[in-house]
Formats: sequence, C-alpha cells, structure tokens
Amino acid sequence: ETGVTQTPRHLVMGMTNKKSLKCEQHLGHNAMYWYKQSAKKPLELMFVYNFKEQTENNSVPSRFSPECPNSSHLFLHLHTLQPEDSALYLCASSQDKGGETQYFGPGTRLLVL
Amino acid sequence: AQSVTQLGSHVSVSEGALVLLRCNYSSSVPPYLFWYVQYPNQGLQLLLKYTSAATLVKGINGFEAEFKKSETSFHLTKPSAHMSDAAEYFCAVSVIQGAQKLVFGQGTRLTINP
Repeated sequence: ETGVTQTPRHLVMGMTNKKSLKCEQHLGHNAMYWYKQSAKKPLELMFVYNFKEQTENNSVPSRFSPECPNSSHLFLHLHTLQPEDSALYLCASSQDKGGETQYFGPGTRLLVL
Repeated sequence: AQSVTQLGSHVSVSEGALVLLRCNYSSSVPPYLFWYVQYPNQGLQLLLKYTSAATLVKGINGFEAEFKKSETSFHLTKPSAHMSDAAEYFCAVSVIQGAQKLVFGQGTRLTINP
C-alpha cells in the first residue's frame, strides 16, 4: 500500500467501549499527526509525534490516548467517549521541516452512541 | 500567533465560471501556505503550496493561488469550474513550534451549478 492508511474506516461504539484507531504511513516520514474534524468546527490538531516522541497535546481529554510505537505507525486509543466525540478522525504524516506537505489518510468516521 | 481566515463558508458558481476562494493569513514570520481539497468521505489532498519561491503557485486540477504579502492573502482561483470541483477547500498556514504544525481555516464548501 502507498500513502497514509487508516483503519477502520467506520466505527460505532458505545460510551463504555474501548476501541483503537490505527494509522500507517508508507512515505518514510518522521512526524505523524491526529486531527479531529467535526461538523461545526474547523480541523482541530489533537496530537503530534516527531520521531516517535509526542511533541504536542492540544489539550485533548484523557479519554483519547495516542501511541506511536515507531515512525510508521500511530494509534489512537479510545475509552469512555462521549457522543460529542463523534467526528471524522484524520491521521497525517510529513517530514518535520518547515514547508513540508502533510499527507492525510482517508479518516475514520466515528459515531459514539 | 499564526492564523487563517477563509471568507465565505459556502461558495456557489456555475459550471464554466471563475472560481475564487478567499484566504487571509496572519503570521509573524514569512509563512508557508497551503490549499487542501476534501471530497466527500475522503481525507485532505494537497492542491498547492507556497514556500517563498514564485508568488503565483500552480497546483493540480487547474487551480492556482497568488501570494500577496501586502494584503496577507493567498486566494485560490480556477478560470473555469467543472462539476468535479465540488468539494470542501481548506487554506492552512504552517507553524514551526517544536514540530511543524498546520493551522487550518474553517473551510469553504464549493458548489457547482450545472
């Protein structure tokens, strides 16, 4: 596969469930990102990882827990979510240098019931 | 702090007409600027980017954007709209704070009328 892939593409979960979103990049990049896209807000940066180290946590609630085991994989672990967490979660990757393009995956559409 | 404002959350044009999507930025340093497009149920795809080379930047699908420092603008244009251009368009500015980050505008939904 090429580019940035995300699984699953769609997820429905209850508020007491635990689930994980997976992102994989095949571009040799060293930075990876999680974004949240909801209907009424602009794209919100959640987390940034650079060479597997978290460099940004944009005041994200602790019910979202990221994990970056290596530069190619990024996970977002979800537990005890709220209905307002329903959104499209996008993963992206780039080289960590000014002006470098971020490449996005297709996203995971999450619905919390 | 860097920020981006997209003027108009919805723009509607006729097929074959000029497309103009507006973006103004705020940056304390020379910016890197991007336009992305998002089709339904997909992620974001890069249309074009400005990295301080030519001020007129050409992108994919016939789109181009002009960097105007005096107006702090980076408007996106296409001379003749096609039905396949219907999508959401995002302007973004690159921020270097530790790692590189993108700050996005609110997005503009482009509708093409037949």
